[in-house]
Amino acid sequence: QVQLVQSGAEVKKPGASVKLSCKSSGYTFTSHTIHWVRQAPGQRLEWMGWINTSNGDTRYSPNLQGRVTLSMDTSASTTYMALNSLTSEDTAVYYCARDGGSHNDYWGQGSLVTVSS
Amino acid sequence: EIVLTQSPGTLSLSPGERATLSCRASQSVASIYLAWYQQKSGQAPRLLIYGTSTRATGIPDRFSGSGSGTDFTLTISRLEPEDSAVYYCQQYDMPPRTFGQGTKVEIK
Repeated sequence: QVQLVQSGAEVKKPGASVKLSCKSSGYTFTSHTIHWVRQAPGQRLEWMGWINTSNGDTRYSPNLQGRVTLSMDTSASTTYMALNSLTSEDTAVYYCARDGGSHNDYWGQGSLVTVSS
Repeated sequence: EIVLTQSPGTLSLSPGERATLSCRASQSVASIYLAWYQQKSGQAPRLLIYGTSTRATGIPDRFSGSGSGTDFTLTISRLEPEDSAVYYCQQYDMPPRTFGQGTKVEIK
């Protein structure tokens, strides 16, 4: 069965960087783009960007341009999301989600990132 | 970017009742690019509906979607206790893809 398993919770200080992972299984990794979506406490879901796992192309939300980088390791069926210059506003649960034809059909369990001094 | 506004903010209904959730877009969205997700407390979102009206795999037929242009609706025909959740609409017609702020469905 399709599964996306994300790395664990992180606590970071303001100004630091974080890198999360998302390991895909149960399907051909290079057949589906992976999206990253975050959700701050009590807020709506916010799309961050996607990575085309067949060729590594990426696209990012203008709101995060320059701070977020998506990458992948095809041999490990894993995508990564790096976010730098963290502030308290980046405290959120971060999700990876598979693209099922533009919609997101499978989601990871989420990784909580807490930014606090 | 396209702003999605959902209403009502909270819906409190009894089991067996019908729930009607609205999603209004700030500009027209192609019907094939509108989805609905269910998110239960402490869980990741789950895809319910895509392409405005196509149920995702394993989703019961009491969930249905409709609409076009700027107005879309998710209907839960007969509420079950397990339908207690927040429901989000999402558009993926125009980047950046955006989500509504959610409608919380409470079961009395």
